[in-house]
Amino acid sequence: DPKIIQKPKYLVAVTGSEKILICEQYLGHNAMYWYRQSAKKPLEFMFSYSYQKLMDNQTASSRFQPQSSKKNHLDLQITALKPDDSATYFCASSQDYREGSQNTLYFGAGTRLSVL
Amino acid sequence: GDSVTQTEGLVTLTEGLPVMLNCTYQTIYSNPFLFWYVQHLNESPRLLLKSFTDNKRTEHQGFHATLHKSSSSFHLQKSSAQLSDSALYYCALDNTNTGKLTFGDGTVLTVKP
Repeated sequence: DPKIIQKPKYLVAVTGSEKILICEQYLGHNAMYWYRQSAKKPLEFMFSYSYQKLMDNQTASSRFQPQSSKKNHLDLQITALKPDDSATYFCASSQDYREGSQNTLYFGAGTRLSVL
Repeated sequence: GDSVTQTEGLVTLTEGLPVMLNCTYQTIYSNPFLFWYVQHLNESPRLLLKSFTDNKRTEHQGFHATLHKSSSSFHLQKSSAQLSDSALYYCALDNTNTGKLTFGDGTVLTVKP
């Protein structure tokens, strides 16, 4: 059974609309992340959260807003969608934001977003 | 800022031949964490190897890599390629152990019979 659940798996949206990407993890982890993978760029860090608190934001646009209603949830709201937002969005989690040893990330299956 | 370079975008091998995927990095931090992630078609990236110890070989599932800080390298190797190794391989860097990974462009490995 997948331990990081992302919904939906595929999403088609029209330019200018708003969508929410869902992520829940059942690994008991305290840190969660969003990454983006597009045709033009490799995997790219977007946000990191620890205990529901934003730790780092590498997304230039305020159209991308993470939302954490519970420790094991980190949704991603995207407003005023543009065709360039088309990508696969991966949610990830790790045991803690900062550990004594390497911080291993576990990725969900991704949400493939297409903006027309 | 940090950067990771994977020189080969596409590597095609015959089954049984050795694999070597190159990875070099740049960072101002002296103790970076280096990772190899593998992503099979239509799947999510999965951790293959990780290291932060200089000159120590790390092995997993037949693959190995050694972090060399002197040359800022973390090349991925395997002695004999298998068909199931066909996938996209990412080298990644985390200089602060915060899960904020900087990924290379990735190398698509295709193993043919």
